[in-house]
Amino acid sequence: QVQLVESGGGLVKPGGSLRLSCAASGFTFSDSYMHWIRQSPGKGLEWVSFISTRGSTIYYADSVKGRFTISRDNAKNSLYLQMNSLRADDTAVYYCARDRYQLPLWGQGTLVTVSS
Amino acid sequence: EIVMTQSPATLSVSPGDTATLSCRASQSVGSNLAWYQQKPGQPPRLLIYGASTRATDIPARISGSGSGTEFTLTISGLQSEDFAVYYCQQYNDWPRTFGQGTKVEIQ
Repeated sequence: QVQLVESGGGLVKPGGSLRLSCAASGFTFSDSYMHWIRQSPGKGLEWVSFISTRGSTIYYADSVKGRFTISRDNAKNSLYLQMNSLRADDTAVYYCARDRYQLPLWGQGTLVTVSS
Repeated sequence: EIVMTQSPATLSVSPGDTATLSCRASQSVGSNLAWYQQKPGQPPRLLIYGASTRATDIPARISGSGSGTEFTLTISGLQSEDFAVYYCQQYNDWPRTFGQGTKVEIQ
């Protein structure tokens, strides 16, 4: 079954860190470009980060640049998002999504709540 | 950054009617535009890419048009499952950007 499953979300205090994971199955992960996209409660979609198939090309939204790090392990069919210096406005459901341009495959998301 | 602006914010329509949603880009994105549908508690679902190409399993009553800076998503013969929030997204440049969404609600 072709799917993406996020994990690692939870409650964290401002200034804290969290590492999200996205497990891929049913397709060739190592050939897939991947993104993280987030959605604050009741709000719209915000693109967060992109990584190419081998990790040689990476982009970030300005809002997370310098605080978040995207990475992947093709041997484990997994995508990661290391989030440091978390702020209240990072509270959101974080989705991983596949492909270079349009995004035909999304995970169900994992909720990150930043609050004291 | 390319700013995507959707209108209207909310569209009230009756089942069986046609809904027309607009998306405007602050600069040309060519045909590098996608539309997504999102229902509560679910991730977005790709409907249209390349401005006018339907994604897999998307019915013909859903269509996209436009290029450059002006785009339209048309949903004909609205059915109950079509009442949702719709987002446009440009993938012509980095950062990727989404519109703020249009909610299609039952009138």
